[in-house]
Amino acid sequence: GQQLNQSPQSMFIQEGEDVSMNCTSSSIFNTWLWYKQDPGEGPVLLIALYKAGELTSNGRLTAQFGITRKDSFLNISASIPSDVGIYFCAGLLGTSYGKLTFGQGTILTVHP
Amino acid sequence: NAGVTQTPKFRVLKTGQSMTLLCAQDMNHEYMYWYRQDPGMGLRLIHYSVGEGTTAKGEVPDGYNVSRLKKQNFLLGLESAAPSQTSVYFCASSYLFSGRTPRYEQYFGPGTRLTVT
Repeated sequence: GQQLNQSPQSMFIQEGEDVSMNCTSSSIFNTWLWYKQDPGEGPVLLIALYKAGELTSNGRLTAQFGITRKDSFLNISASIPSDVGIYFCAGLLGTSYGKLTFGQGTILTVHP
Repeated sequence: NAGVTQTPKFRVLKTGQSMTLLCAQDMNHEYMYWYRQDPGMGLRLIHYSVGEGTTAKGEVPDGYNVSRLKKQNFLLGLESAAPSQTSVYFCASSYLFSGRTPRYEQYFGPGTRLTVT
């Protein structure tokens, strides 16, 4: 199946630092979504991107839909302890009945 | 709105036993999905449904069956559980807008942790 390469796999940062992660694919996606998963919970949608070049913010989070439509980036500014969790990117090829392809996830640890 | 709910939250099965996982959504979403999540594998699609009475195979359908008799419910069945089916199972739903920009945002339930011994 389709593959999304998400990096880094894990990050250990100090509170207050900025965080960047990205997803790349060999295929062109029409939609990029970013999710966060807390331990023992289901993924929660953070940001949805629908147009190439689109830059969208949600509080301290900013995500961009790459111009080539083959990548997306998520930035977290001034990290806080509650940012801890697993962050997933997900892409949609065409319509595909809404079927998403997920990255492997980035595990974020924030040290106070 | 409760969003997407899943029952049960935890279950332990012996090899060969059967069980059904229930997913319910109160958002009037057309599409529903079942995923499994394993360490280092991300989320993999098992089966999905694009409407009441319809189902289709996803990426890893073997060993599972599904039914969507009502729009708000999506059932995942394991007829003969195997240790390889030990995983966390997530249900999700999404709604296709008819406006200019179709939207496929999926909303997830809290998950069911299944262990097969």
